[in-house]
Amino acid sequence: TQLLEQSPQFLSIQEGENLTVYCNSSSVFSSLQWYRQEPGEGPVLLVTVVTGGEVKKLKRLTFQFGDARKDSSLHITAAQPGDTGLYLCAGGRGTYKYIFGTGTRLKVLA
Amino acid sequence: ETGVTQTPRHLVMGMTNKKSLKCEQHLGHNAMYWYKQSAKKPLELMFVYNFKEQTENNSVPSRFSPECPNSSHLFLHLHTLQPEDSALYLCASSQGQGILNEKLFFGSGTQLSVL
Repeated sequence: TQLLEQSPQFLSIQEGENLTVYCNSSSVFSSLQWYRQEPGEGPVLLVTVVTGGEVKKLKRLTFQFGDARKDSSLHITAAQPGDTGLYLCAGGRGTYKYIFGTGTRLKVLA
Repeated sequence: ETGVTQTPRHLVMGMTNKKSLKCEQHLGHNAMYWYKQSAKKPLELMFVYNFKEQTENNSVPSRFSPECPNSSHLFLHLHTLQPEDSALYLCASSQGQGILNEKLFFGSGTQLSVL
């Protein structure tokens, strides 16, 4: 079974703090995506990384794909209450097939 | 309307009922997906359709029956479900170009409760 483990599972921090979420697997993926899901809604794509070692920045969010394309991290600088949600990583395994991670539930307190 | 629309948003059904979930996308995409999101499990891929043809069936029990009449519409027909089938059912679409990093666009889901 291909499994993408995310850590931590839950994270509650104060506004302004920094945090990092990890997504790890023993399998190699062709690409790695990060999504954020808010209550009552479907996941929304944040970023796609495809090259080992790739780093992408989206405002206060920094995404990194591991050199071996088995892991990824999401770093948020100066977290805001609007960052609250469920963060999901998803590994690409061939065309149209994505394996989703176990999820990290983030709460940012004002 | 834009994006991916799912109806109904909430559904409660008994184990002997037959119901259908509907998904419609207004993005001009050619691939559509059904995912299941349970409380304590990762998002699970159920079915994939590309240009109306089913390309993936992830060992889903036959009590779930998908239908894709055209590239814009996707249905999930439900019959004789079990309580453990209670979950959020998410529909998604993507361009369907067959590239390795297709972007998924999700609907808001149907929250299903089986009594």
